[in-house]
Amino acid sequence: GAGVSQSPSNKVTEKGKDVELRCDPISGHTALYWYRQSLGQGLEFLIYFQGNSAPDKSGLPSDRFSAERTGGSVSTLTIQRTQQEDSAVYLCASSFRTSGSSVQETQYFGPGTRLLVL
Amino acid sequence: AQTVTQSQPEMSVQEAETVTLSCTYDTSESDYYLFWYKQPPSRQMILVIRQEAYKQQNATENRFSVNFQKAAKSFSLKISDSQLGDAAMYFCAYSPNQGGKLIFGQGTELSVKP
Repeated sequence: GAGVSQSPSNKVTEKGKDVELRCDPISGHTALYWYRQSLGQGLEFLIYFQGNSAPDKSGLPSDRFSAERTGGSVSTLTIQRTQQEDSAVYLCASSFRTSGSSVQETQYFGPGTRLLVL
Repeated sequence: AQTVTQSQPEMSVQEAETVTLSCTYDTSESDYYLFWYKQPPSRQMILVIRQEAYKQQNATENRFSVNFQKAAKSFSLKISDSQLGDAAMYFCAYSPNQGGKLIFGQGTELSVKP
């Protein structure tokens, strides 16, 4: 079946502008994750959605970052007033995880969105 | 806080030879999961192998196997009969039992020489 898809593949924006990054998880996957990959910081966790539970936002670096997941499927990561240090590859992953389960199911990743802030 | 360390920024192997990538981690938990992911230039993160901490037996997937030493908090990846297509960045990752998120190491860039 189809994997995790992300759009756009690449995004160039000017400092101070807002950007929206989209993630379509694998159909039926209940958990969705956003990560950021940058040269200086490596791979960092940003936010995690699991079913209808409140998201784990502990990795968001500032209040300029927010994310939502509509209808338990598609997710949008929004960065407001972008800064040059936001330049990175933003990766989305999904997994099938039963609420309350302690099993860590494998996360499947999308191809990422490369964001460049000028 | 849990951390993952990959001490080899770059590794090189001759085609058909065997190479081992190192990974150590720090945690106070007893139940957790460990993963090796491969990231080729296409950026797509691909799962190579996973290990549940409660399992004593080392995981194996075809040419890929791990040496999981729980007491030493070590989780190395062995690639046998290396192929040109194995060239990529390899990331070791840790996940707590209930936490969901992955904590990644810094990565090891593997090159395969023909």
